[in-house]
Amino acid sequence: ELKVEQNPLFLSMQEGKNYTIYCNYSTTSDRLYWYRQDPGKSLESLFVLLSNGAVKQEGRLMASLDTKARLSTLHITAAVHDLSATYFCARGLSNAGGTSYGKLTFGQGTILTVHP
Amino acid sequence: GAGVSQSPSNKVTEKGKDVELRCDPISGHTALYWYRQSLGQGLEFLIYFQGNSAPDKSGLPSDRFSAERTGGSVSTLTIQRTQQEDSAVYLCASSFDLLDIQYFGAGTRLSVL
Repeated sequence: ELKVEQNPLFLSMQEGKNYTIYCNYSTTSDRLYWYRQDPGKSLESLFVLLSNGAVKQEGRLMASLDTKARLSTLHITAAVHDLSATYFCARGLSNAGGTSYGKLTFGQGTILTVHP
Repeated sequence: GAGVSQSPSNKVTEKGKDVELRCDPISGHTALYWYRQSLGQGLEFLIYFQGNSAPDKSGLPSDRFSAERTGGSVSTLTIQRTQQEDSAVYLCASSFDLLDIQYFGAGTRLSVL
């Protein structure tokens, strides 16, 4: 069974602090996505990680992928209030005989709250 | 440019009624996806369409759910004989191809009374 598990599910941070969200997945994949969702809004794409060792950074967020450990991380540096949102990782397939490419399996989401 | 457009944004219906949800993807995107987001089940894949290929329906929860995509563009998700457990936010996404980033619409919040 395909599983994507995020840890932690709830994260309360002070502004200026650093923290990491972890995303473990149960079967081999070389495509890992991170999305952000604000309350009442849809999902906004943050990163796509396509290979082992991939690292991408945008502002205070940095994502990495370790396909051997089946682990992706989203690191938050010097958090600010505007980063408060729910963050989802999602696993995609890149080679499934052409039958399951587009199917994303999402983690449970991590609700991040940044306090002053 | 315009993003993925979904309508209606909110739909309240009575148990047993049929509902149709519409998705207008980003122009030029060949792949279109439907997902469902609910408190109990999180984000679940329902179905996707890619060009002229047969759709992947493996995520549809029952035969009350169906979807079509006309002319390779607009898609309609139909739920027949709605049940209370169908209450959720139905999200549509599109992408240039199956390996590209999926861009999501704002969703349709369905409430079945």
